[in-house]
Amino acid sequence: AQTVTQSQPEMSVQEAETVTLSCTYDTSESDYYLFWYKQPPSRQMILVIRQEAYKQQNATENRFSVNFQKAAKSFSLKISDSQLGDAAMYFCAYRITQGGSEKLVFGKGMKLTVNP
Amino acid sequence: EPEVTQTPSHQVTQMGQEVILRCVPISNHLYFYWYRQILGQKVEFLVSFYNNEISEKSEIFDDRFSVERPDGSNFTLKIRSTKLEDSAMYFCASKIGQGTEQYFGPGTRLTVT
Repeated sequence: AQTVTQSQPEMSVQEAETVTLSCTYDTSESDYYLFWYKQPPSRQMILVIRQEAYKQQNATENRFSVNFQKAAKSFSLKISDSQLGDAAMYFCAYRITQGGSEKLVFGKGMKLTVNP
Repeated sequence: EPEVTQTPSHQVTQMGQEVILRCVPISNHLYFYWYRQILGQKVEFLVSFYNNEISEKSEIFDDRFSVERPDGSNFTLKIRSTKLEDSAMYFCASKIGQGTEQYFGPGTRLTVT
């Protein structure tokens, strides 16, 4: 069964510093997608970044980048130049495709605090 | 930019009552989902819906739950005989096609008293 593990329940970072959020997953598939979602206090789920497993190049979106290690089944998120608005819950997610149906499986999430 | 919308933002109901949570997916999207998040826990898949039928449902989606796309724009989740443990944030999501990203709505907070 596909699982997503976020082992760090909470982290904090100083404003303008860099922080890395870890995520590991378990799958027997060779082609899949991974995502990081942000959930601010408003509780809306916002897509931060996605990574396609067949692409060797790590995805980057402005201050957000991933370190995708396919063999290790690791998918960490790096936030550079942290801003107060980055404070939120961050969820790692894996997209499962079975019999033509797709769904997301989420990790338990990690609470990021940004200190001024 | 098109968004998924959900109403109401907060719904309070008494145990045993029926509730309907409403979602308006992005207009050209064809695949629809409901997820739920119990406070402090991870987001869990409830059901996926395509071509006017359920594609997949989780164990959480028991016979008290149903989904409908009544008019081609709304996508609703109905919960009958609500229980205290149904209290959660319910997220609707939609996507345009296979292999594309799911876009989430802002959620409806359901409180069962």
